[in-house]
Amino acid sequence: DSGVTQTPKHLITATGQRVTLRCSPRSGDLSVYWYQQSLDQGLQFLIQYYNGEERAKGNILERFSAQQFPDLHSELNLSSLELGDSALYFCASSVWGGGNEQFFGPGTRLTVL
Amino acid sequence: KNEVEQSPQNLTAQEGEFITINCSYSVGISALHWLQQHPGGGIVSLFMLSSGKKKHGRLIATINIQEKHSSLHITASHPRDSAVYICAVRANTGNQFYFGTGTSLTVIP
Repeated sequence: DSGVTQTPKHLITATGQRVTLRCSPRSGDLSVYWYQQSLDQGLQFLIQYYNGEERAKGNILERFSAQQFPDLHSELNLSSLELGDSALYFCASSVWGGGNEQFFGPGTRLTVL
Repeated sequence: KNEVEQSPQNLTAQEGEFITINCSYSVGISALHWLQQHPGGGIVSLFMLSSGKKKHGRLIATINIQEKHSSLHITASHPRDSAVYICAVRANTGNQFYFGTGTSLTVIP
């Protein structure tokens, strides 16, 4: 158990819908990272937050947004969902914002029908 | 063009064999990570390197910054090492992360 929690574990929804994925980092970790893992694209970095501020941005679509709240939990919002958004979404956390070991959550499996 | 290339893509070994997985990257980096993903999907960070060599149990990771290359070695491999091993780098401009496509390792008893 990494200490990083993600909810829900599984999510099934329809095209065009909006969903919110939640991540609670390990106690004491200030940084949260979001990743997408699909069968055809592998792991891709979406976005990083550090202590509530956006720190780095990757291949995050405009239909996706994220934030980190004062209690350091983070949410990833996915809207206007398409079939291709079906993937595993991982959250990870680390102590600082720079080069630290990351601890991964169990992931949320999103299926868009 | 992939910023991170891993080889081999697939690897089958007999229990006890010494295993090497290679990772080459094309961008300037601040850190390189080796990750392990088990069949159930969970990801574990094995190493984070910015220079030199690190060892943890039967696992050794090395990095050569000049050659933009890293290797992950597993000594005395065991069936429980069967997993996908993923190399990832953090670029030193923009702080983006790039991932290799992974090496699927199967260790046969």
